[in-house]
Amino acid sequence: RKEVEQDPGPFNVPEGATVAFNCTYSNSASQSFFWYRQDCRKEPKLLMSVYSSGNEDGRFTAQLNRASQYISLLIRDSKLSDSATYLCVGSEPGGGADGLTFGKGTHLIIQP
Amino acid sequence: GAVVSQHPSRVICKSGTSVKIECRSLDFQATTMFWYRQFPKQSLMLMATSNEGSKATYEQGVEKDKFLINHASLTLSTLTVTSAHPEDSSFYICSASDRRVWNTEAFFGQGTRLTVV
Repeated sequence: RKEVEQDPGPFNVPEGATVAFNCTYSNSASQSFFWYRQDCRKEPKLLMSVYSSGNEDGRFTAQLNRASQYISLLIRDSKLSDSATYLCVGSEPGGGADGLTFGKGTHLIIQP
Repeated sequence: GAVVSQHPSRVICKSGTSVKIECRSLDFQATTMFWYRQFPKQSLMLMATSNEGSKATYEQGVEKDKFLINHASLTLSTLTVTSAHPEDSSFYICSASDRRVWNTEAFFGQGTRLTVV
């Protein structure tokens, strides 16, 4: 069974700190990955896509390590508004219903 | 980004009745749709995955006769909670993806908050 594993947390981090969490995947055929952010009582929204070794968008950096089969998400200068659950998703080519595997999310709490 | 519309956003129903939730992809064709349930302060739990025109694949522990999924077109999937009971009260979310497009992500609907009284 293909798995995407995440530490559920919660991660309690002081405002302004840098926080990183990993997502491991079991399917070596996975070629692209996505980080979603889910706020309380809302639907998940796409935060970043990772197709090669990594991606950076402002304070957010995602890195992919294919040898060790994990993706990390780094948040610099964390803000209170970063508090959310972060979902990791792996995608494999070829289409079909099995092409996307979702992690269960990591809960992040930024504290003032 | 692509839009997935989920309806209704909130529904209250009496115990024993059935509720239908719709998930539509508005500007793309969804070959695959995923249905999730999320209880308060818990993570998303995948209930089932469906490919257009095929029967849904249910996760272990999810009753297929209770949670009927129809994915008859590339833009619409429905989840029907049959004979709903208070323990079915939850946040139900769909996501849709065109798996023919290389490296595409899934897009989520806004969710449906179901309360069974």
